[in-house]
Amino acid sequence: SQQGEEDPQALSIQEGENATMNCSYKTSINNLQWYRQNSGRGLVHLILIRSNEREKHSGRLRVTLDTSKKSSSLLITASRAADTASYFCASQGGSEKLVFGKGTKLTVNP
Amino acid sequence: NAGVTQTPKFQVLKTGQSMTLQCAQDMNHNSMYWYRQDPGMGLRLIYYSASEGTTDKGEVPNGYNVSRLNKREFSLRLESAAPSQTSVYFCASSDRGRGHGDTQYFGPGTRLTVL
Repeated sequence: SQQGEEDPQALSIQEGENATMNCSYKTSINNLQWYRQNSGRGLVHLILIRSNEREKHSGRLRVTLDTSKKSSSLLITASRAADTASYFCASQGGSEKLVFGKGTKLTVNP
Repeated sequence: NAGVTQTPKFQVLKTGQSMTLQCAQDMNHNSMYWYRQDPGMGLRLIYYSASEGTTDKGEVPNGYNVSRLNKREFSLRLESAAPSQTSVYFCASSDRGRGHGDTQYFGPGTRLTVL
């Protein structure tokens, strides 16, 4: 399988805390993307980081990429109950195909 | 814009029955995809279509067929459903080649149970 891995599989935090999720992938990439999935819904794109970038920010999201370690991390700062969802990384190589990880289930307790 | 729509939302089949899952997008995207999502497995690509008139196998194509009917529509067919095909199926589209980094837009999913 080409699937990547997210770590941890599940994370439970209190509102206001930061949440960090890690992702590892297997092959060389053009970009790495993070998606969010609320329970019973489709995935929604959050942020994309290209292979020549090391860090990217979008609102309360911060993504880092280390191509030498084939890994990425997603940091959500000052989390809210509404951030409760599953988060997936997806790596993209030379084609249009994305290879998704297995996801991190985040629970933010009010 | 409705984005990516899928029908039906839910379906229960008996082993051996056939059905077609429908997907349509109104964003004028060239590329469309079918995934299945199983607990603890993330999303796995079944088939994709890079443009109208072309289709290619993904990671788990066995037991499925697809049709790219036109630029808007991409259907997934199960000819003889098996319990192993019980899953949630997602359709997605992307605007490859226009500088958007191949962000994919997902439909709401079809929850299929095969008894």
